[in-house]
Amino acid sequence: DAGVIQSPRHEVTEMGQEVTLRCKPISGHNSLFWYRQTMMRGLELLIYFNNNVPIDDSGMPEDRFSAKMPNASFSTLKIQPSEPRDSAVYFCASRSPTGIQGEQFFGPGTRLTVL
Amino acid sequence: RKEVEQDPGPFNVPEGATVAFNCTYSNSASQSFFWYRQDCRKEPKLLMSVYSSGNEDGRFTAQLNRASQYISLLIRDSKLSDSATYLCVVARSYNTDKLIFGTGTRLQVFP
Repeated sequence: DAGVIQSPRHEVTEMGQEVTLRCKPISGHNSLFWYRQTMMRGLELLIYFNNNVPIDDSGMPEDRFSAKMPNASFSTLKIQPSEPRDSAVYFCASRSPTGIQGEQFFGPGTRLTVL
Repeated sequence: RKEVEQDPGPFNVPEGATVAFNCTYSNSASQSFFWYRQDCRKEPKLLMSVYSSGNEDGRFTAQLNRASQYISLLIRDSKLSDSATYLCVVARSYNTDKLIFGTGTRLQVFP
């Protein structure tokens, strides 16, 4: 079975450019999460969706960040304009409606570097 | 102060050793607790849930002390493959969708 799929795996861009990260959750999972991980701050929840609807976006750092989930099998996280402090690993995760409480399945992450 | 605090380590232990990690959380309303494992440059994966009565899964034992607001993970008979970062995770409420991750404790098991 395919796990959570993220693309690209690595992204290097220049400050001011738009960055779009993509995620395909595991089929049948109805919750999708976007996280950011840095050495200093660890893993932080940015936003999550239930049944394609955004439930909590209080972790989104600022208006430069936006996320969408147009259907059950696809989500995007967009940063516009990007800044060097956005450099981090961005993980997408999904959860099954019938799975173990607290178990989220993470994708391999997108390593973003903003120069 | 971070909501979930862990000693970053690294803990360097020989194979076969027993090692314990602690984690403290600041929100007394937290209801659910977990340990995740993250290998170097990989994604986190659920290791085990932490129940009030404590729970064991093979060589791994997790315990919760609500009065002192700390969670522990004990690993017995360490293997080289246990080398990883262990993330302490707390859910603020019964909504376990909103997980708060600690920054992790790194374990290195050497031969």
